[in-house]
Amino acid sequence: EVQLVESGGGLVQPGGSLRLSCAASGFTFSSYWMSWVRQAPGKGLEWVANIKEDGSESYYVDSVKGRFTISRDNAKNSLYLQMNSLRAEDTALYYCASEYGRAFDYWGQGTLVTVSS
Amino acid sequence: QSALTQPASVSGSPGQSITISCTGTSSDVGGYDFVSWYQQHPGRAPKLLIYEVSNRPSGISNRFSGSKSGNTASLTISGLQTEDEADYYCSSYTSSSGTHFVFGTVTKVSVL
Repeated sequence: EVQLVESGGGLVQPGGSLRLSCAASGFTFSSYWMSWVRQAPGKGLEWVANIKEDGSESYYVDSVKGRFTISRDNAKNSLYLQMNSLRAEDTALYYCASEYGRAFDYWGQGTLVTVSS
Repeated sequence: QSALTQPASVSGSPGQSITISCTGTSSDVGGYDFVSWYQQHPGRAPKLLIYEVSNRPSGISNRFSGSKSGNTASLTISGLQTEDEADYYCSSYTSSSGTHFVFGTVTKVSVL
């Protein structure tokens, strides 16, 4: 059974940093692109970033470029999102998702990030 | 990169068919056959319904079907059931500004 379990969310002040993790199991993690998708409270889905199978390429939505860094450790079947210079508008539930056919086939349950003073 | 445009709400009676549209540009929906659709119930993670415009993952009911014409994609739900009441999102691969994906604005489906 495929499982994606996010962790690392919490309350952080504006300008602060947070590192999210996603533990994957039940599939060959190293064979799939992986993404982070977020959902602000009561709002729609927003794709944040993704990373190639071997970690050699990564892409970001414009609003997080230069502040967020996606990475992965295939030996640990783990995906990460380092978030720096956090803003109030980054407040959201952050989902980890695997990609298949340029779609998101499996999703975790999300980890909540709240940016507030 | 702007969000793809979906209707805010669509409703139907049990057994009816409804269609949700998803309008983008030639840089996303119109330029690639990588449109996908997701269903999200309150408090739950999104669930993939359709990928690559019209393909259903294993386990997804054939009541859900997808299509595309030009810059607009569509999701049709036939034989509407009460459990279909949920939020629906489209997504497309995009080549715009170095990003990879864009989602649509949410469509709330109500089963009357």
